[in-house]
Amino acid sequence: GAVVSQHPSRVICKSGTSVKIECRSLDFQATTMFWYRQFPKQSLMLMATSNEGSKATYEQGVEKDKFLINHASLTLSTLTVTSAHPEDSSFYICSAPVVAGEYFGPGTRLLVL
Amino acid sequence: SQQGEEDPQALSIQEGENATMNCSYKTSINNLQWYRQNSGRGLVHLILIRSNEREKHSGRLRVTLDTSKKSSSLLITASRAADTASYFCATDGGGTSYGKLTFGQGTILTVHP
Repeated sequence: GAVVSQHPSRVICKSGTSVKIECRSLDFQATTMFWYRQFPKQSLMLMATSNEGSKATYEQGVEKDKFLINHASLTLSTLTVTSAHPEDSSFYICSAPVVAGEYFGPGTRLLVL
Repeated sequence: SQQGEEDPQALSIQEGENATMNCSYKTSINNLQWYRQNSGRGLVHLILIRSNEREKHSGRLRVTLDTSKKSSSLLITASRAADTASYFCATDGGGTSYGKLTFGQGTILTVHP
């Protein structure tokens, strides 16, 4: 069964609105989670590291004020895309590291009209 | 930034044949992982090989790692139509970057029945 869940699985929104994506670790605690973005027919790019109890760290070129990350608990990280625009349409995937690798969530497909 | 390069970008084979995908990277690593992604879906972790390992097997999968050449290969033996997917290598630099994965561009594998 899935060990990392994401919600929603897909969302369509109007340009200018904000969208929140949740990432939950099931049956284990994750002090760190990662957020990736994948554009169509491309690979995954790391956006940011979500840290429980401290601020998220963002990769170069990722706007921290646009992509708000909150690691609310040891099992939940949220990514909020603020004032979304069509160019933010993408597949957003979270992950939680474990000893033998990473557990990835099923992803959230965001379409901004 | 993407540091992994994979080749081929696309591979088309017949069921029963073997499929080999290659991955190269640029910086030192703690481990290298291979993932599979079905179209529009999340990632499935296939295998992790540590920097001090040279070869690893899991079922029909065989992964090699050559740290001197900064390259890895994934071999899928006796392929099946259900193996059709995109395959990505991802490197983990370890240390303070533990869990942060840098993905290759991916290989699209098509297995014809």
